[in-house]
Formats: sequence, structure tokens, C-alpha cells
Amino acid sequence: AQKITQTQPGMFVQEKEAVTLDCTYDTSDPSYGLFWYKQPSSGEMIFLIYQGSYDQQNATEGRYSLNFQKARKSANLVISASQLGDSAMYFCAMREENSGGSNYKLTFGKGTLLTVNP
Amino acid sequence: ETGVTQTPRHLVMGMTNKKSLKCEQHLGHNAMYWYKQSAKKPLELMFVYSLEERVENNSVPSRFSPECPNSSHLFLHLHTLQPEDSALYLCASSQAYGDAPTDTQYFGPGTRLTVL
Repeated sequence: AQKITQTQPGMFVQEKEAVTLDCTYDTSDPSYGLFWYKQPSSGEMIFLIYQGSYDQQNATEGRYSLNFQKARKSANLVISASQLGDSAMYFCAMREENSGGSNYKLTFGKGTLLTVNP
Repeated sequence: ETGVTQTPRHLVMGMTNKKSLKCEQHLGHNAMYWYKQSAKKPLELMFVYSLEERVENNSVPSRFSPECPNSSHLFLHLHTLQPEDSALYLCASSQAYGDAPTDTQYFGPGTRLTVL
């Protein structure tokens, strides 16, 4: 089974509108962390936001917020007031306490390509 | 320089060439990573170094040889590569590998490698 599932290969949003990028995960570890990264066409993977499995509140960082629903094992990224510069690939990733013998290995999903239209 | 830097940004090499990728982090981190990103595949972790010691080697072919001379520098030595090795190679660093799920990895801009 896939550890991280991003079901939207591509998403379109109008400039200044909000958009939600989906991410579901699969783990039996009680302690884990969830990350979102942005990858523009230049290639650099930019860290956006982090959510810990024990965090009571949803994480927020500026225009980014993480809609964390632990029981559903989902960690959707919400981008408010989209900008043209938000056009990029977005990756959801997870670190588990035990991942196939590797401590805290970071596992990535396949990504969602977001296009912001003017 | 700030963050994580990688050189070269682009590299074209023949299958018989020997080349090296360089990564440098300016964040004072203790762990460094090499990832491979091929088209339409999730990022694959290749190697992990913690305090200059290799702690993970995820079944990577021996034609890829990492080197970590100190906690700020990481190299990936390449020799007799195959065309299927063409990919984006990303370097990352974090405060402390295997310490906590909060340990965030920060990435460099990558080296786009083409093997002819």
C-alpha cells in the first residue's frame, strides 16, 4: 500500500482564490510528521509547512494551512489567495518513527501540479 | 550563500565518464541526504549521512558513490552511468537524522543529470 497518496495529478485555480490539495497517508506509528513541499519548474524543493501527529491544532504558515484530520488520515494543504507564483508541483511527505528499519525516513507522494490562472 | 547549494545545476555526461555532484549546506545541520527524482516517480532516497557517517544506503548501484568529508559538504561521485540514471538529483540537510519526526529537511536546487 502507498504510504502517501495524492489523488490529484493536476489542479487549476483562479488567481486570488483558495485551493485545497489533497493528501492521505497510511501509517500504524503513533508518532509521525507530515510535510508539504513546493517544487517550481526550477527544481528546488521548498519546505512549506509541518504538522505533527500529536499537534492539537492545524498548522498555519502565512497563506498556507494544513487541514489535519487524524481519524481520516488526511493532511490537505490549503492555499489562500492564490498567486501566479504559486504555480508549481506540490508534494506531501511523511516521517514515521519506524519505516522499514529506517528511523524517520521521509516518504513522498507523487505530487500535484497546481496551475494558477490570471 | 545561504541554505543548501548544489553544483553543477546541469550536467550532461557519457556512459564512460566520471563526474561528481557537490552539495554544501550553510545551515549548521548534522545530517545530509541524496535523493533521485525521475520523471513521474516519487522522490527516492539514495543515501543518508549523519555526523559524516553513512547511515543509509537504499540499494543504490555501486556506480553511485557518496562522500561526506564534513558535516557541511556532500558529494556524489558518478561513473559508468546508464541512460536510465538521467534524473534530477536533490541534496537535502536537516538538523539531526533519526531524532524526531519534526526534523525538517531543507533541499538544494538540484542537479539535472543527462546520461547519453
